[in-house]
Amino acid sequence: AQSVSQHNHHVILSEAASLELGCNYSYGGTVNLFWYVQYPGQHLQLLLKYFSGDPLVKGIKGFEAEFIKSKFSFNLRKPSVQWSDTAEYFCAVNANAGNMLTFGGGTRLMVKP
Amino acid sequence: DAGVTQSPTHLIKTRGQQVTLRCSPKSGHDTVSWYQQALGQGPQFIFQYYEEEERQRGNFPDRFSGHQFPNYSSELNVNALLLGDSALYLCASSSQGTDTQYFGPGTRLTVL
Repeated sequence: AQSVSQHNHHVILSEAASLELGCNYSYGGTVNLFWYVQYPGQHLQLLLKYFSGDPLVKGIKGFEAEFIKSKFSFNLRKPSVQWSDTAEYFCAVNANAGNMLTFGGGTRLMVKP
Repeated sequence: DAGVTQSPTHLIKTRGQQVTLRCSPKSGHDTVSWYQQALGQGPQFIFQYYEEEERQRGNFPDRFSGHQFPNYSSELNVNALLLGDSALYLCASSSQGTDTQYFGPGTRLTVL
């Protein structure tokens, strides 16, 4: 069975600080990787996804993530956060077997103005 | 282009009751997945419907059942509600053969 682990449950940053959120998954086969964001009071939105090709993927709002196969990791990064990035971030994985997404526990990010 | 819609927004039930939640997929999507998100946790997969059949199921008891209609909309039914069923229930839609799922706003179920 696949599993996803997000190491940081809560992160507090000041505006303009750099962000890196960790995500590790456990699955022996080929996976598709996703980062979703849930802004306060809003629904889950797709930030970025990796299916194949260049392991560095760019998403919306200046976010990017790097897939490192040897480390089973898919960390999310942003060079300079803004107050509007305050949200909960979820890493998710699905295996080729189907569309079932397995989510990590989420990281709650608070950006202080 | 309407996204994924869910109804109702909020629901309060008592233990032992039954509940039905509804979902309309994004235009052009034919596959609906349901997830349960308990407070402070990530969403957990319940099941997925395609062509009006349950195609995949997560680790949830038979009290959780669903249905998909010819117009691709879907219902999630939960029988014999327990306090632990209190959660945000999310519907996600996708096109069969693609791996990106789009989520609705969810239905917040509270069981008293």
